[in-house]
Formats: sequence, structure tokens, C-alpha cells
Amino acid sequence: TQLLEQSPQFLSIQEGENLTVYCNSSSVFSSLQWYRQEPGEGPVLLVTVVTGGEVKKLKRLTFQFGDARKDSSLHITAAQPGDTGLYLCAGGGGSQGNLIFGKGTKLSVKP
Amino acid sequence: DVKVTQSSRYLVKRTGEKVFLECVQDMDHENMFWYRQDPGLGLRLIYFSYDVKMKEKGDIPEGYSVSREKKERFSLILESASTNQTSMYLCASSLYRDGSTDTQYFGPGTRLTVL
Repeated sequence: TQLLEQSPQFLSIQEGENLTVYCNSSSVFSSLQWYRQEPGEGPVLLVTVVTGGEVKKLKRLTFQFGDARKDSSLHITAAQPGDTGLYLCAGGGGSQGNLIFGKGTKLSVKP
Repeated sequence: DVKVTQSSRYLVKRTGEKVFLECVQDMDHENMFWYRQDPGLGLRLIYFSYDVKMKEKGDIPEGYSVSREKKERFSLILESASTNQTSMYLCASSLYRDGSTDTQYFGPGTRLTVL
């Protein structure tokens, strides 16, 4: 069974701090997606990474896919209250072609 | 913009009732999914469908069934609701059959409480 472990589970920081969220597995994934879910809403895709070692930047967010395609990280620079939410990683290539989701990291950024 | 809508944001039902959760997408997507989301357990796949009248079991199908009579609509049915089915239910759709790189578009969720 393919599993994705996310850490930390909870993160509470002050505005302006930097943070990194991790997504790890013992399995190889064909791709890795990151979603953000705000309270009362469904998850929304932030980025998809498909190549081992790939780095993608989205404004203050930097996403990296591990060389072996077993792990990924999300780094946020100078966090803002608007970054508050649940961050989910999802691996592609599940046994039935569907996505495998991690349990999420709940981020709270205080002003 | 892709839009996925769910019939109710909040629903309260009694144990033993039959419950229908409806999901509609407006972008002609091939695939549709039903998840439940619980604190500490993340998103768990209940059922998904790659085409009209097709359905596949996900990780936790017990106690649920689904129906896809039209491409844009995917219904989740709780035949006899139980208290352990109290949860947030999320519907999603995606364009391609290969889910490895495909974006899933989610609805806002239905928070179901079974008393």
C-alpha cells in the first residue's frame, strides 16, 4: 500500500516567519501534487511536480520533488495570514490510477 | 473556470435514514470521485467513476453506494446512515483517466451529521 506521511501535522507561526512542510513515502510516485484547503472549502491545487529533483516556485512558495520521487517539500518564505490553511500532498500513480493523499499539515499564521 | 457543486453544505440525518449526496461538475470531466475527510485521517477515497454507469471501489466503500447516470452528475448514497458516517464529504472531478498528473477539482464539501 502506498502511503504519504506529512510533517508536521500542525504548525503555528507568526507573520513573516519561514516554514517548511514535508511529504515522505517509501514508494515512488510518478508525480506529486500540493493542494491548499481553506476552512469550509474544498482543496485547491497549488502545483504539480513530475520530474525527480524538480523545483517550482509560486510567489513565496517553493516546491521540490525529491530526486528519487519518494518525497517532496513545500517552503513558504515570509508567511502571511492568508497562507493559513490545510496543506495536502497527493501522489500520482495509485494502484487504480487515482491520487494518494497525505493527511495534511494544518498551518496557522498569526498577524 | 471548472465548477464542482454539491447539493448541500450541511446535512443532519437520523440513524437508519437513506441519505443522498449529489455532486455536479460543469466541465465535461471524465472522472468523478467521492472522499470523506476526518480529522487525523485525511482524505479517504470512497468510490470513483471513470465513465457514465461505471464505478470503482476506493479504500473505504463499505456502507456506501454510488450512481452515475449522467456524465456531469455523481451521487453518493448512504443506504442506512450510521453515526460513524458523520463526516465531511468531498466530491471531485478530473479530466483524464490517468490520474497521475491530472488536477482534481473539488466541491466545497457537505458536512453530514448523523444523530
